[in-house]
Amino acid sequence: GDSVTQMEGPVTLSEEAFLTINCTYTATGYPSLFWYVQYPGEGLQLLLKATKADDKGSNKGFEATYRKETTSFHLEKGSVQVSDSAVYFCALSDGGAQKLVFGQGTRLTINP
Amino acid sequence: DTEVTQTPKHLVMGMTNKKSLKCEQHMGHRAMYWYKQKAKKPPELMFVYSYEKLSINESVPSRFSPECPNSSLLNLHLHALQPEDSALYLCASSQDGSWGNQPQHFGDGTRLSIL
Repeated sequence: GDSVTQMEGPVTLSEEAFLTINCTYTATGYPSLFWYVQYPGEGLQLLLKATKADDKGSNKGFEATYRKETTSFHLEKGSVQVSDSAVYFCALSDGGAQKLVFGQGTRLTINP
Repeated sequence: DTEVTQTPKHLVMGMTNKKSLKCEQHMGHRAMYWYKQKAKKPPELMFVYSYEKLSINESVPSRFSPECPNSSLLNLHLHALQPEDSALYLCASSQDGSWGNQPQHFGDGTRLSIL
């Protein structure tokens, strides 16, 4: 079945550091890919999405590119802030399915 | 600000109580979802409603009973829950759920504790 694998956390960085959170997937069809962020005490917020190969999703300084050849959708940000501290989930949705398949989540802590 | 509103934010109940969780969205979405999230884990899908009809039940125990009174509202009725049911319950909605490229929009959840 479909699956998503994220890099293990927790990840701790200093403010203004470069961020990469790795995400790879397996899917039988042509999935859409998503990054969601969950701040403490809140639900999940859609951060960005990409629906086909080579699409780049971007939002709030975060970017991720849908790489079909490497089945990856890595999240990057050039300069992180303390306010980016949260749990980040990579997810896929395959074709007509109504199900989101989530990775395990990566907890990110940014120190000032 | 989230566009999916869940009430209550917190709920403590005994194992013999009956309570309901409520979810409302006004984005015109026709698919709505219930998820359960345990600490430090991703959300787990419980139910999906599409056009007010139950389309997916992920083998959820019958002590959880969903209801979709109209396209904007989703309820989860709880009865005789177990301590292991303590979790964050998230509601989500999407445009119509027929295509995977439609993102799901989540509420902030109800944190449920079973005594």
